[in-house]
Amino acid sequence: GAGVSQSPSNKVTEKGKDVELRCDPISGHTALYWYRQSLGQGLEFLIYFQGNSAPDKSGLPSDRFSAERTGGSVSTLTIQRTQQEDSAVYLCASSPRVSLAGSKRPQYFGPGTRLLVL
Amino acid sequence: AQKITQTQPGMFVQEKEAVTLDCTYDTSDQSYGLFWYKQPSSGEMIFLIYQGSYDEQNATEGRYSLNFQKARKSANLVISASQLGDSAMYFCAMIGSSGYSTLTFGKGTMLLVSP
Repeated sequence: GAGVSQSPSNKVTEKGKDVELRCDPISGHTALYWYRQSLGQGLEFLIYFQGNSAPDKSGLPSDRFSAERTGGSVSTLTIQRTQQEDSAVYLCASSPRVSLAGSKRPQYFGPGTRLLVL
Repeated sequence: AQKITQTQPGMFVQEKEAVTLDCTYDTSDQSYGLFWYKQPSSGEMIFLIYQGSYDEQNATEGRYSLNFQKARKSANLVISASQLGDSAMYFCAMIGSSGYSTLTFGKGTMLLVSP
């Protein structure tokens, strides 16, 4: 079946502009995660959604970042007033249910959106 | 807090040889899971293998195996019979039983397979 898809694949924007990044998870997956990968770094957790529960926003780096998930499926990550340090690859992942320690529930990742803020 | 350490920024291996990628972790959780992901130049993170903290056997998935040493808190990935297509970044990650259910990643190891 289809994997996680993300759009756009690349985005170049000017400092101060707002951007929206889209993630379409694997059909039927109830858990959705956003991560950020800066150049030469591992992945940094941003936010996750599980079903209809309130999202865990504890990884968002500032109040310029927000995300929503409509209808339990597609998610949009919005970055307002972009800064140069926001330049990174933004990766979305989904899993059938929330990942738990001790259970083999890998997160399946999309190809990412490469964001460059000039 | 959880931490993953990958001490090898880069590794070289010849085609058809085996290679071990190191991963050590730090956690106070008793129950946790360890994952390895591969990230080729295309950027997508590909799940390779999983090891649960209570699993008694080392995990294996085809040419991938995980050398899990719980007392040493290490979870090294072994790739047997390397192929040119194995050239990629490899990330070790873990999920614990406290806090939120997200993965903590190491900084990765770049593997280059030469003919």
